[in-house]
Amino acid sequence: DIQMTQSPSTLSASVGDRVTITCRASQNIGEWLAWYQQKPGKTPKLLIYKTSNLESGVPSRFSGSGFGTEFTLTISSLQPDDFATYFCQQYNTYWTFGQGTKVEIK
Amino acid sequence: EVQLVESGGVVVQPGGSLRLSCAASGFTFDDYSMSWVRQAPGKGLEWVSLTSWDGGSTYYADSVKGRFTISRDNRKNSLYLQMNSLRAEDTALYFCAKGVGRFLEWRDPFDFWGQGTMVTVSS
Repeated sequence: DIQMTQSPSTLSASVGDRVTITCRASQNIGEWLAWYQQKPGKTPKLLIYKTSNLESGVPSRFSGSGFGTEFTLTISSLQPDDFATYFCQQYNTYWTFGQGTKVEIK
Repeated sequence: EVQLVESGGVVVQPGGSLRLSCAASGFTFDDYSMSWVRQAPGKGLEWVSLTSWDGGSTYYADSVKGRFTISRDNRKNSLYLQMNSLRAEDTALYFCAKGVGRFLEWRDPFDFWGQGTMVTVSS
């Protein structure tokens, strides 16, 4: 099974900060990685697929990069609406999620 | 507008059975794979099962293999999860989720999710 490890688990940041979340796969998953945003009591929202492709309607301050086993999600300038939990997901072999990174207000 | 509405979640005793349903609308249901994903209280997301667009292929997480069965009725635009031999660790909010690509099953993330239905396994 492919394991996905996100870091950090919690991130404290301020509005306007540049934020980076890392996701590591236990084996090579190529470019088959997605990022989701989940707010309390809400369903996950697909932000990025195939490592770096923005889902329709997602602000351009979100970007993704990486290949193989190491990936990053970057928010270039954190906005109030961005405080949430972010999950990575590999879909190269079955589907596995990272444990999540909570972005909280500093 | 894509809508996914889950139902069937209840409190059930360990060893019991349950059938979850997901009613889909707003898209051509039989063009897309569908999954069940669960989230234990305060925890992360765990993919449970996927069925291909035509129901011909099904896949399961090791944690539920042999106990859960996914199915779909494309005439009714509905997805199901039959859950048997339930354990305390199956307690979670169960989401149905739609695959992104038409006629894909592999290498396809999920673009729409329902609000979930809560399953609690407790004596």
